[in-house]
Amino acid sequence: AQTVTQSQPEMSVQEAETVTLSCTYDTSESDYYLFWYKQPPSRQMILVIRQEAYKQQNATENRFSVNFQKAAKSFSLKISDSQLGDAAMYFCAYKIRTGTASKLTFGTGTRLQVTL
Amino acid sequence: SAVISQKPSRDICQRGTSLTIQCQVDSQVTMMFWYRQQPGQSLTLIATANQGSEATYESGFVIDKFPISRPNLTFSTLTVSNMSPEDSSIYLCSVDQAGVGETQYFGPGTRLLVL
Repeated sequence: AQTVTQSQPEMSVQEAETVTLSCTYDTSESDYYLFWYKQPPSRQMILVIRQEAYKQQNATENRFSVNFQKAAKSFSLKISDSQLGDAAMYFCAYKIRTGTASKLTFGTGTRLQVTL
Repeated sequence: SAVISQKPSRDICQRGTSLTIQCQVDSQVTMMFWYRQQPGQSLTLIATANQGSEATYESGFVIDKFPISRPNLTFSTLTVSNMSPEDSSIYLCSVDQAGVGETQYFGPGTRLLVL
């Protein structure tokens, strides 16, 4: 069974600074997707960034980037120039690439605080 | 991305009653997913709803407790039956966005409190 582990229950970062959230996963599959979702107090799940396992290049989306280490099964999220609006729960998630719809497996989440 | 709406957004219910949650998508999708997020916890998949067939339930979830309907390609309902305080959670539906690397997008969720 696939598992996703987020070892940091809480993190804190000062505004304008950079923070990295950790995620590791366990799978025997070779082709899959990895995601970071953000859940603000509104509880809406918002996609932050997506990585295809077959791509060596790390995904980036504006201030958000990932460090994908396939051999180590590691998928960390870096937030640059942190803003107050980045404060939220962040969930790492895994999904097998099947060509059809399949479920997401989530980590336990990391609560990010952004301070002035 | 797909636009997903859910009704109700929140509700307070008495134990022993049932609540039906609706999920509407603005485009046709093959599968819809129902997740539960208990207080302070991560998301757990309840079931996958495929149009025209029975929903597929994950371990620990049964059809009698969480019956699901999927009458067409843009709509699904999840019923939480015979509720107890342990059912107090956020219930979210999600869909895969075709052509976007199988990314799943989520509705705004239904916050349920059972007294």
